[in-house]
Amino acid sequence: EAGVAQSPRYKIIEKRQSVAFWCNPISGHATLYWYQQILGQGPKLLIQFQNNGVVDDSQLPKDRFSAERLKGVDSTLKIQPAKLEDSAVYLCASSLRFVADKQETQYFGPGTRLLVL
Amino acid sequence: AQTVTQSQPEMSVQEAETVTLSCTYDTSESDYYLFWYKQPPSRQMILVIRQEAYKQQNATENRFSVNFQKAAKSFSLKISDSQLGDAAMYFCAYRSAPGFGNEKLTFGTGTRLTIIP
Repeated sequence: EAGVAQSPRYKIIEKRQSVAFWCNPISGHATLYWYQQILGQGPKLLIQFQNNGVVDDSQLPKDRFSAERLKGVDSTLKIQPAKLEDSAVYLCASSLRFVADKQETQYFGPGTRLLVL
Repeated sequence: AQTVTQSQPEMSVQEAETVTLSCTYDTSESDYYLFWYKQPPSRQMILVIRQEAYKQQNATENRFSVNFQKAAKSFSLKISDSQLGDAAMYFCAYRSAPGFGNEKLTFGTGTRLTIIP
């Protein structure tokens, strides 16, 4: 079974530029998450999708961050314009959902490391 | 809101020895799940072990086991017979059970584990 795919793995941009990250979840997984992991911290949820609908985006800085999952499969996360404090690793995760098994596990991708100069 | 605290930023252990990583959490919910994730330098978050709050029995996965103390809100991870491949950041995480709240993962700040050959 293929895992969660993310690209690019690394990105360096200057502040005020825009950047986009892509995520392809595990096949059949209905739920997709984007996390931001700042150096020295644990991941923080930015947005959660259930199929192509948003479940939780309470911690997404909506003035500069946007995300979409148009067909309920892959997803893009965009930052425009980027700030220095956006330097972090952006992790995508997916989980199966809608199954009787309550032990739902989130499977993570390798992440995209963003450096804003 | 739930919080997860990992009070040990770094730990080290001799190869083949046993080490215990600490985690405490705060919640008012009665049903929830707790997880330990491992994040090696490659950045891929890997699930190590999970515990359901309503289960009294401590979870075990091969060399990994937990000591879950619900009343004390403590969830420690014990790694037996430590191996070089166990070196990584370890994150403790909390998730509400379905129907009890937002099911996002809330992570601690992590413990960096070093294995000494």
